[in-house]
Amino acid sequence: AQTVTQSQPEMSVQEAETVTLSCTYDTSESDYYLFWYKQPPSRQMILVIRQEAYKQQNATENRFSVNFQKAAKSFSLKISDSQLGDAAMYFCAYRSAYGGGSNYKLTFGKGTLLTVNP
Amino acid sequence: ETGVTQSPTHLIKTRGQQVTLRCSSQSGHNTVSWYQQALGQGPQFIFQYYREEENGRGNFPPRFSGLQFPNYSSELNVNALELDDSALYLCASSLIGGGTDTQYFGPGTRLTVL
Repeated sequence: AQTVTQSQPEMSVQEAETVTLSCTYDTSESDYYLFWYKQPPSRQMILVIRQEAYKQQNATENRFSVNFQKAAKSFSLKISDSQLGDAAMYFCAYRSAYGGGSNYKLTFGKGTLLTVNP
Repeated sequence: ETGVTQSPTHLIKTRGQQVTLRCSSQSGHNTVSWYQQALGQGPQFIFQYYREEENGRGNFPPRFSGLQFPNYSSELNVNALELDDSALYLCASSLIGGGTDTQYFGPGTRLTVL
């Protein structure tokens, strides 16, 4: 079974600064997807960024980028120019690329609570 | 494009009762997945529905059951509620077979079991 570990329960950053959230995962599969989701106090889980394991290039979405290290099974999220609206719980998630049944499920880490200080 | 919606927002039940939670998928999506998120934890996969049939299940007992309707909306039913069932229940919709099959989440239903 796959597992996802987020070793930082809480992080804080000053507005306009850069912060990196860590995520490691364990899997025996060679093809999979990795995600970062953001959950603000409103509770809705919002997709931040997605990475396909077969792609060597790191995904980027505006101020958000990832550092995907497949051999190390590491998938960190970098937030540049942090804004007050970035404050939320951030979850790293894994999904198998081998379709069918429960392989389609997302496996989440326990989350990192990000605080942005003005 | 209409996003994923869930109802009700909050629900309070007593132990032993039954509850039904509802989810409307994003337009154009054909799959709904349900997750349970206990306080301070990441979401845990309950099950997934595709083409009106259960298409995968996590480690949850049979008293957790579901339905998917022809319009791809879905229900989660929980029988014989236990105190540990208190959680945020999230549904996520996606499109299997349409290229990107990323799951998009609704705002959740907060269930409290007393």
